[in-house]
Amino acid sequence: GAGVSQSPSNKVTEKGKDVELRCDPISGHTALYWYRQSLGQGLEFLIYFQGNSAPDKSGLPSDRFSAERTGGSVSTLTIQRTQQEDSAVYLCASSAGRGGQPQHFGDGTRLSIL
Amino acid sequence: QQQVKQSPQSLIVQKGGISIINCAYENTAFDYFPWYQQFPGKGPALLIAIRPDVSEKKEGRFTISFNKSAKQFSLHIMDSQPGDSATYFCAASMRSGTALIFGKGTTLSVSS
Repeated sequence: GAGVSQSPSNKVTEKGKDVELRCDPISGHTALYWYRQSLGQGLEFLIYFQGNSAPDKSGLPSDRFSAERTGGSVSTLTIQRTQQEDSAVYLCASSAGRGGQPQHFGDGTRLSIL
Repeated sequence: QQQVKQSPQSLIVQKGGISIINCAYENTAFDYFPWYQQFPGKGPALLIAIRPDVSEKKEGRFTISFNKSAKQFSLHIMDSQPGDSATYFCAASMRSGTALIFGKGTTLSVSS
């Protein structure tokens, strides 16, 4: 079956530009997560969507970061006015529910800010 | 504050040997402890997971040992193979909020 799909796989952009990263979760999974993986910080939680509940945004590093999930499926992570420190791999994961259900990860979007 | 501490940072093991990676956590509200394996250019893949009501879980060559009183858990890879060379992450989460808190990762190299 299809796993978590992320696009683009690589994105290079200039400092100050806005970027949008897309995540297609596994069909039927109600929970969706965004994480960021960088050399110095490891894997960091960014934001979590569960069904129709308000998202948990507690991991977003600044107000330049936002995310939405349309129709309970596809999600888009938007970074406005990108900075060089935003360079990282952005990973999306989905799971069938809350409370420790296995999270299945996509292969990520490698974002490079010039 | 690092809630999940992982060691060692890197590990070299001979083919056929046992690889051991350790993690310690601080928050006693954590109740789900997965291990992920990651190859270069790929996302983390769930390897094995445990809950604190058991002290050990084994799946094939992979075993998690869990010590609730010490707030520690470890991954043992028996008969390590070159194909096991990857980065391993331990993680923890709470029932009420399911974001995973990851350790910093261990890069395992199995020499043939």
